[in-house]
Amino acid sequence: GAGVSQTPSNKVTEKGKYVELRCDPISGHTALYWYRQSLGQGPEFLIYFQGTGAADDSGLPNDRFFAVRPEGSVSTLKIQRTERGDSAVYLCASSLNAGGSGANVLTFGAGSRLTVL
Amino acid sequence: SQKIEQNSEALNIQEGKTATLTCNYTNYSPAYLQWYRQDPGRGPVFLLLIRENEKEKRKERLKVTFDTTLKQSLFHITASQPADSATYLCALPSMDSSYKLIFGSGTRLLVRP
Repeated sequence: GAGVSQTPSNKVTEKGKYVELRCDPISGHTALYWYRQSLGQGPEFLIYFQGTGAADDSGLPNDRFFAVRPEGSVSTLKIQRTERGDSAVYLCASSLNAGGSGANVLTFGAGSRLTVL
Repeated sequence: SQKIEQNSEALNIQEGKTATLTCNYTNYSPAYLQWYRQDPGRGPVFLLLIRENEKEKRKERLKVTFDTTLKQSLFHITASQPADSATYLCALPSMDSSYKLIFGSGTRLLVRP
């Protein structure tokens, strides 16, 4: 597609439930990122994929969070045993390349707003 | 650890005036700095990138400066319009990895007609 697509746009769930958030990046973009944004804050890095592998998952808050990108395109962020503190907007971004000597410009999706009751 | 500071108070200006937003950073010398715009309910959108060896960058009504001595970037919107109302985020590559962008908390700009 023309841009980064995220589904669902809104997800309301109960505490303790399992949630999956999907990201479809720009075709040809090898780098994919997940960020989390709380109200009044900037996006906070969660995880970065280069191709199919998670090159850096240092931003995942704990082991309830996991992300995959099995074919190097679509990615799914998975949250187990959701807690109220997980409520936020989860943003996905992609870029043509990542780091190195070039600058890394990200194209973001509209985000998935997660509310844990 | 690196720290990015943007004014958390909203900037409220009259249409036609120049808006100036500030981004300060500490404990770091980034190779470049980026500015993004974010509208409510949307993801950030890239606006401008400025490298450490560039003092100033322009794009239409936008101008960004980068002072590596002061560790500060200024973002200017000249002849501001109500449609410029949004939150503006600055972003730097992480100290430990060039692919990871670290964002400031953003400054909300309101342009009154």
